[in-house]
Amino acid sequence: EVQLVESGEGLVQPGGSLRLSCAASGFTFTNYAMSWVRQAPGKGLEWVSAISGSGGGTHYAESLKGRFTISRDYSKNTLYLQMNSLRAEDTAIYYCAKGGSYFDNWGPGTLVTVSS
Amino acid sequence: EIVLTQSPGTLSLSPGERATLSCRASQSVSSIYLAWYQQKPGQAPRLLIYEASSRATGIPDRFSGSGSGTDFTLTISRLEPEDFAVYYCQLYGSSPPRYTFGQGTKLEIK
Repeated sequence: EVQLVESGEGLVQPGGSLRLSCAASGFTFTNYAMSWVRQAPGKGLEWVSAISGSGGGTHYAESLKGRFTISRDYSKNTLYLQMNSLRAEDTAIYYCAKGGSYFDNWGPGTLVTVSS
Repeated sequence: EIVLTQSPGTLSLSPGERATLSCRASQSVSSIYLAWYQQKPGQAPRLLIYEASSRATGIPDRFSGSGSGTDFTLTISRLEPEDFAVYYCQLYGSSPPRYTFGQGTKLEIK
């Protein structure tokens, strides 16, 4: 059974940093692209970033302007999202999701709150 | 940049009725890159349909997807109480890779 479990939830001040993790199990981690998708309170879904199965390709939503970095650790079967220069508008539930052109498995999400 | 517009914003129906949800792309897209998700309150989204018309594993056959070009439809043939949720369409673009979601349709009990 595929499982994705995010961690790293927290309250951070504007301008601060936070790293999210997503522990993956139940599938061959190297074979699948992975993404982060976020959802602001009461809003819709917004794709944040994706990384290829090999880790050689990383892609970001244009709105992030270089503040976020996606990575993956194959020895730990874990996906990461390093978030810097956080803003109030980054407040959201962050989901990790498995898949290339569509997302067939999602984690339960982890809440990031950016506030002073 | 391709924009996905879902309609209606809210759909009020009764159990047993048929639901038709629309997703329109701002320009013609490949249907193999169009997916649909269901999200219930407090839960992560769940994949329903991929490649516009293929049901994901475990999805009941009352859910079906169709469409091509710019117009795509998710149909729920006979609504069950557990189907009342928010539905999103999603498009994948390959050059460079990026993912676009529609704004969602809320399906509520009438």
